[in-house]
Amino acid sequence: EADIYQTPRYLVIGTGKKITLECSQTMGHDKMYWYQQDPGMELHLIHYSYGVNSTEKGDLSSESTVSRIRTEHFPLTLESARPSHTSQYLCASSETSSGANVLTFGAGSRLTVL
Amino acid sequence: RKEVEQDPGPFNVPEGATVAFNCTYSNSASQSFFWYRQDCRKEPKLLMSVYSSGNEDGRFTAQLNRASQYISLLIRDSKLSDSATYLCVVRNSGNTPLVFGKGTRLSVIA
Repeated sequence: EADIYQTPRYLVIGTGKKITLECSQTMGHDKMYWYQQDPGMELHLIHYSYGVNSTEKGDLSSESTVSRIRTEHFPLTLESARPSHTSQYLCASSETSSGANVLTFGAGSRLTVL
Repeated sequence: RKEVEQDPGPFNVPEGATVAFNCTYSNSASQSFFWYRQDCRKEPKLLMSVYSSGNEDGRFTAQLNRASQYISLLIRDSKLSDSATYLCVVRNSGNTPLVFGKGTRLSVIA
């Protein structure tokens, strides 16, 4: 049973299109993250948020943008998709109060840009 | 130098074998340590936290050596279902995101 949902799971789209990857969590977590991962490769943090109206860039430079208008929702947008954006995008969340900062991941959105 | 380093493997072991992975971290102020497991084309999931005194969960044992700045994961009596990538994860001080290693790939062979 997933408490963090990502849509779409799979997307094939042409170059130049605008894309929004949705991420929602029902756990009331204040922290949310977006990671990018190519097949068989390491995770790269591209964006994170520690609460509503707070967003930060991660370790890997990305042309995507994010917003955090509601606690449960953390969408990622690519204004103009390119083949180099082809990858898997994983959303995750965690809560501060637990202290351990354990991440719960969504199932991922696999993006292919033609 | 990478903040969290792991041998990428692959480790190919027969069923029933004992296998151990090590992970080193560079930040001596790191506070919390975890092992995550990621199956092929799936999302990472928490396997276990790593405590200073060492901890065990069934066939899995995790240990932390703060002096040498490394974490280990021992898997006893390997099963085919243990085949996955094992990610070493570290939380540094302050309010910074978790730092993931590149992962160690394990294949358990019948």
